Amino acid sequence: TQLLEQSPQFLSIQEGENLTVYCNSSSVFSSLQWYRQEPGEGPVLLVTVVTGGEVKKLKRLTFQFGDARKDSSLHITAAQTGDTGLYLCAGGWGGADGLTFGKGTHLIIQP
Amino acid sequence: DAGVIQSPRHEVTEMGQEVTLRCKPISGHDYLFWYRQTMMRGLELLIYFNNNVPIDDSGMPEDRFSAKMPNASFSTLKIQPSEPRDSAVYFCASSLSGIGYTQYFGPGTRLTVL
Repeated sequence: TQLLEQSPQFLSIQEGENLTVYCNSSSVFSSLQWYRQEPGEGPVLLVTVVTGGEVKKLKRLTFQFGDARKDSSLHITAAQTGDTGLYLCAGGWGGADGLTFGKGTHLIIQP
Repeated sequence: DAGVIQSPRHEVTEMGQEVTLRCKPISGHDYLFWYRQTMMRGLELLIYFNNNVPIDDSGMPEDRFSAKMPNASFSTLKIQPSEPRDSAVYFCASSLSGIGYTQYFGPGTRLTVL
């Protein structure tokens, strides 16, 4: 069973601070996705990375895929209260087969 | 364009009762997924379909769970009989095939079995 470990599990910081959350696995993925989930809603895709070493930016969010395609990180610059939510990483092995999700990082940005 | 639609949004039932959850995927999507989310186990894939055919049901916890997709625009997940440990949020998602595809999730059904 391929597992995705996310860390930290919970993170609470002040608005304006920077943060990084991690997603690690012993398996190599063909693609890795990051989703954000808000209370009472389903996860929403933020980004997909497919190439080892790839870096993608989405406004204040920077996503990196490890060179070996086994790990990924999400860095948020100058966090805002609207960034609060559950951040999930999900690994895929090609095609459109079901993803394996990590348990997520619960992020709270305090005003 | 409507997203993935799930019904009901909330379901409260008593142990032993049959529960049916419903999902309408995004039109044109050829994959449909059922997930279950709990605090303890996170988001778990239960089963997925491609062109209405079940491809992998290895995540279905036991025989009390069954899923069908009679056509491209409708799927059901049934639990019979339900047990308190089935309490969770159940999500349906749909996608188009291909590398780096996006899964679009519905709002979920929060199931409580008393």
